[in-house]
Amino acid sequence: AQSVAQPEDQVNVAEGNPLTVKCTYSVSGNPYLFWYVQYPNRGLQFLLKYITGDNLVKGSYGFEAEFNKSQTSFHLKKPSALVSDSALYFCAVRDMDPRAAGNKLTFGGGTRVLVKP
Amino acid sequence: EPEVTQTPSHQVTQMGQEVILRCVPISNHLYFYWYRQILGQKVEFLVSFYNNEISEKSEIFDDQFSVERPDGSNFTLKIRSTKLEDSAMYFCASSERGGIAYEQYFGPGTRLTVT
Repeated sequence: AQSVAQPEDQVNVAEGNPLTVKCTYSVSGNPYLFWYVQYPNRGLQFLLKYITGDNLVKGSYGFEAEFNKSQTSFHLKKPSALVSDSALYFCAVRDMDPRAAGNKLTFGGGTRVLVKP
Repeated sequence: EPEVTQTPSHQVTQMGQEVILRCVPISNHLYFYWYRQILGQKVEFLVSFYNNEISEKSEIFDDQFSVERPDGSNFTLKIRSTKLEDSAMYFCASSERGGIAYEQYFGPGTRLTVT
């Protein structure tokens, strides 16, 4: 069974500073990894995904994530955080078990990011 | 930009009552999903639906739950006899196809409170 861990419940960063949100995963096969963001009273919004290819994946709103197979990590990064980046961030892995036709996502617990002016 | 919509945004019901949560997926999407998030816990997969049948369901999705696509636009989750532990935020999602290249788009959620 696959699992995702987000070790930090909250990350505080000053505006303009680099932002990193950590994610580690456990899967039996190839990992297909996703980041979603949730703003207050909104649904989960897709940020980026890693399927294959370059380990550095670029996504929406200036975010990127680095896939590291040896460390089983997929940390989300942004070089210069904005106050508007304050939100709840979820890492997720897609179940690629051939017996599972449903494409379900398994989520981490979420990390709240607070960017202070 | 097309969005997944859900109604109502908040539903309060008494234990033992039936509730129906409604979702309108993005119009050209073929795969539909329900997830839930109990307060303070992870987002959990409930069920996926394709071609008018359930593709996969989790252990949470027992006989008290059912899903339906009653027409060409709505996708519903029914809980027949609600329990206190069903209180959660329920998210609907849809994807254009089922392959790994197709991300899931989520609605804003329905907060279900069972009293």
